[in-house]
Amino acid sequence: NAGVTQTPKFQVLKTGQSMTLQCAQDMNHEYMSWYRQDPGMGLRLIHYSVGAGITDQGEVPNGYNVSRSTTEDFPLRLLSAAPSQTSVYFCARTPGGRRAAQETQYFGPGTRLLVL
Amino acid sequence: AQSVTQLGSHVSVSEGALVLLRCNYSSSVPPYLFWYVQYPNQGLQLLLKYTSAATLVKGINGFEAEFKKSETSFHLTKPSAHMSDAAEYFCAVILLIGSSNTGKLIFGQGTTLQVKP
Repeated sequence: NAGVTQTPKFQVLKTGQSMTLQCAQDMNHEYMSWYRQDPGMGLRLIHYSVGAGITDQGEVPNGYNVSRSTTEDFPLRLLSAAPSQTSVYFCARTPGGRRAAQETQYFGPGTRLLVL
Repeated sequence: AQSVTQLGSHVSVSEGALVLLRCNYSSSVPPYLFWYVQYPNQGLQLLLKYTSAATLVKGINGFEAEFKKSETSFHLTKPSAHMSDAAEYFCAVILLIGSSNTGKLIFGQGTTLQVKP
């Protein structure tokens, strides 16, 4: 997983509960992303970060918050979980900068989330 | 706008048979394309990528893909399927977003490969 770790591996929540999905990387990489994977839809970008203190929205940001206080950690927060957020979540070490188009995106092992 | 379309959500082949997974792209700029594989309950692993150096790209585990601009295609092939190839395969194109050129992957819908003994 190219140094990207995620916890927990699996989580069950009730509607309205909050939780934080953890993501950490040990490569001092600036650019990080969160994707969600849903059947028949591939992966879609939720939020991304280009460095400590800098985050931005992807294509499906609603219901999720992120922060980047350090380069190593990039947590994803669900403030009030909904059944529509049942998905598999992947954190990724993301290409950025001048040669970004040719570089590889490396994904963590994923967190499976079930919201009842 | 950039997008990819994978033809066939499920493909079934016999062990030893040719594997062909189809991907077509749409892009207003020269595309950089990727194939990822996902084994059950695991993350995504890069199989191969096209970055314009060569139109025939060789990847891991005996897979290869050919970039055909005239057909806007980037199909994934393997001459002889193995049971261990059973997985979900994703084609993706990279889109650079934001002022910092962050690489966002645009994924196809995925194709599940079943390998029969």
